[in-house]
Amino acid sequence: ETGVTQSPTHLIKTRGQQVTLRCSSQSGHNTVSWYQQALGQGPQFIFQYYREEENGRGNFPPRFSGLQFPNYSSELNVNALELDDSALYLCASSLDRGVAYEQYFGPGTRLTVT
Amino acid sequence: AQSVTQLGSHVSVSEGALVLLRCNYSSSVPPYLFWYVQYPNQGLQLLLKYTSAATLVKGINGFEAEFKKSETSFHLTKPSAHMSDAAEYFCAVRGVNAGNMLTFGGGTRLMVKP
Repeated sequence: ETGVTQSPTHLIKTRGQQVTLRCSSQSGHNTVSWYQQALGQGPQFIFQYYREEENGRGNFPPRFSGLQFPNYSSELNVNALELDDSALYLCASSLDRGVAYEQYFGPGTRLTVT
Repeated sequence: AQSVTQLGSHVSVSEGALVLLRCNYSSSVPPYLFWYVQYPNQGLQLLLKYTSAATLVKGINGFEAEFKKSETSFHLTKPSAHMSDAAEYFCAVRGVNAGNMLTFGGGTRLMVKP
């Protein structure tokens, strides 16, 4: 069984640019959550997608947006990049959206904004 | 609202010594509580979780945690540290809220001395 995968592994962008990060959920999982982990901090919830619809959002501005596709893979898009967007972006998938369902994390995408 | 506080951003123990990583939480509803481990340049791996069953929870790699409602604590312990336990540890709480999101503490870096 393939776990959660993310691409790319590393990415360097310039302030003001746009970036798209990708996540393939674990087989059979219909829910994907995205987290931002700044250096030396715990992950912070960005948003969650359930069956292609946004199912909750953390305290992030609208320039952070997402998509979930019919195969339940997902994208995180960030517009107008700022230096503070430099972080490890983690994707997690779960079998369903309920609180009892465990979230399985991918290895993350390291984004550096210069 | 829910939050997690991890006391001690860095903990150092000798190999073979007791590991104690502290976590206190606040939650307006009965919580689900988790401990995750993160090795360098990797994603998060679930160590154990509390879901309102037994208050003493056993996880992988010899770790366990005890849920104490009166103290709003969920401390992580291991009787004997191994060199391979050196990593970053995150406590997280999850409640019935938008996206059933995980709220993480700031993390504790565990160092194991030979």
